[in-house]
Amino acid sequence: GENVEQHPSTLSVQEGDSAVIKCTYSDSASNYFPWYKQELGKGPQLIIDIRSNVGEKKDQRIAVTLNKTAKHFSLHITETQPEDSAVYFCAASMPDTGRRALTFGSGTRLQVQP
Amino acid sequence: EAGVTQSPTHLIKTRGQQATLRCSPISGHTSVYWYQQALGLGLQFLLWYDEGEERNRGNFPPRFSGRQFPNYSSELNVNALELEDSALYLCASSLLNHYGYTFGSGTRLTVV
Repeated sequence: GENVEQHPSTLSVQEGDSAVIKCTYSDSASNYFPWYKQELGKGPQLIIDIRSNVGEKKDQRIAVTLNKTAKHFSLHITETQPEDSAVYFCAASMPDTGRRALTFGSGTRLQVQP
Repeated sequence: EAGVTQSPTHLIKTRGQQATLRCSPISGHTSVYWYQQALGLGLQFLLWYDEGEERNRGNFPPRFSGRQFPNYSSELNVNALELEDSALYLCASSLLNHYGYTFGSGTRLTVV
């Protein structure tokens, strides 16, 4: 089955700096890659996603890049703010094959220091 | 629009007992997914229901089961509880032809 690896496990940055989280996946059939943000005591919230027919997607301070050949994708957060502090999860699935279940990475705890 | 709601928020059970967790999806969403998030670990896929049918199952023993009702709400049942079943159980919903999920806040199950 699909395996998603995520790193780093923890990341500390100064407010205003950029943060990058990287994930690799194993199954070349995967074609949907969402990123979720989980704050303490809450469920994960979808923040951005990308499909395999697109190499990059941006939404304000957040961007995701995908390299299908290398089977890795990354989350980029620019101009970080204290409210960006949370655990971030990458995930992969192959919904076009009917396999809608997401396989998640192990998470990255991002701490933005004011 | 109400989000995905889960009940109860916390549940304490004794080893060997059964637990029932409930989920109400966003109105109009027909797919419901269940995930287990053990402390310090990522999310592990349990079950996917759509239109009342179980569509896919993760690598969990048969004592984890569930169902989806005609109104698309769902329940997860865990029989013969073990200490390692202690975790946050998350429910998510989506439209069948949409890839992204919306998660609820979860039920924290503690087995003592």
